[in-house]
Amino acid sequence: EPEVTQTPSHQVTQMGQEVILRCVPISNHLYFYWYRQILGQKVEFLVSFYNNEISEKSEIFDDQFSVERPDGSNFTLKIRSTKLEDSAMYFCASSLPPGEPQHFGDGTRLSIL
Amino acid sequence: SQQGEEDPQALSIQEGENATMNCSYKTSINNLQWYRQNSGRGLVHLILIRSNEREKHSGRLRVTLDTSKKSSSLLITASRAADTASYFCATFYPQGAQKLVFGQGTRLTINP
Repeated sequence: EPEVTQTPSHQVTQMGQEVILRCVPISNHLYFYWYRQILGQKVEFLVSFYNNEISEKSEIFDDQFSVERPDGSNFTLKIRSTKLEDSAMYFCASSLPPGEPQHFGDGTRLSIL
Repeated sequence: SQQGEEDPQALSIQEGENATMNCSYKTSINNLQWYRQNSGRGLVHLILIRSNEREKHSGRLRVTLDTSKKSSSLLITASRAADTASYFCATFYPQGAQKLVFGQGTRLTINP
């Protein structure tokens, strides 16, 4: 069964540094998402992306965040200047129409020092 | 907040018993989905129930939806040790939102 893959599985970065998290969604999916989960807390929506533009973003997704689909397969999340509170698991997901089941990757654990 | 609470927050039962988890939400939804998360892994979709459906089955899973009470329940029958995981409900709203809103989750432990 096709799956969403994320790299790296763990990223350790100094505060203030830029970080790029990478995802390869399922190939025939059209909608792409990033969520995050701070340790022990619920999964929070960050952003959705369709037709090469952001469809919706949450309050968390401020100017420090950006997303890009640089080619036909990758979907990236960039954090320009990381803060301690950015430490979390970041999950990429993809779906056919947005109301249908979303398929999640195994996440990238981001640790900001 | 669009999402309410899940209860219980944690549930520990013996293998073979049934496990029931509940989820509440606050505003009208398009559909409600249940996901499982094993420790350190991503979320796996289990079942989707639409707002015009009341009950749905998939293998050992049974989901109900009561839109008048804005609540849903997930029943896992004849539990197995491999069912140990966190279970989340997620709601999808009709007004242009292209996101899932997750509950806090129920941590389920199945004791052998």
